Amino acid sequence: DAGVIQSPRHEVTEMGQEVTLRCKPISGHNSLFWYRQTMMRGLELLIYFNNNVPIDDSGMPEDRFSAKMPNASFSTLKIQPSEPRDSAVYFCASSFPATGAHEQYFGPGTRLTVT
Amino acid sequence: DQQVKQNSPSLSVQEGRISILNCDYTNSMFDYFLWYKKYPAEGPTFLISISSIKDKNEDGRFTVFLNKSAKHLSLHIVPSQPGDSAVYFCAASSYRGNTGKLIFGQGTTLQVKP
Repeated sequence: DAGVIQSPRHEVTEMGQEVTLRCKPISGHNSLFWYRQTMMRGLELLIYFNNNVPIDDSGMPEDRFSAKMPNASFSTLKIQPSEPRDSAVYFCASSFPATGAHEQYFGPGTRLTVT
Repeated sequence: DQQVKQNSPSLSVQEGRISILNCDYTNSMFDYFLWYKKYPAEGPTFLISISSIKDKNEDGRFTVFLNKSAKHLSLHIVPSQPGDSAVYFCAASSYRGNTGKLIFGQGTTLQVKP
């Protein structure tokens, strides 16, 4: 299996622009998680989906952030409009908790820089 | 409210010696705990886990200890190797709800000196 795939790996954009991050979870996994890592806040959970349904979006910082999971093999995290404080590494992870195993498998991340 | 805490931001040990990374949690509903390792420019990778019905789990050089009464877990690496130099995150979860949500600590940067 290719593991969790994220694109792009790096994104540099100007303040005010729309940014879309993409994630393909591991085939067969039914839970998907979006995280943001910063020096100040560490690894924080933004939103997670179970069977394509958003379960908890309490970590989404503002209405500028939105996430979708139209099918079991694809999810997007969108920021519009982007701001410099959104600069961070964004990770996507997937798991199959129904088996009782809560290990999450992470993608390589997208490093976002907003100037 | 940080439910999972790693109070040591960094740790430096000599190659061949033991590395001990610590983690504390506050939520007594947590019943599953994990350790992840992260290298620069990569995503975290799963290392080892432990269920609350156990107090120890071992996998090669890595052992996780769980002290439920103290709400404390630790990761022991013996012997430490330079390739172990990375950021280590502990995480906690609850089987209730069965959604697999993890709460992560802030991470501890381990440096193993040759």
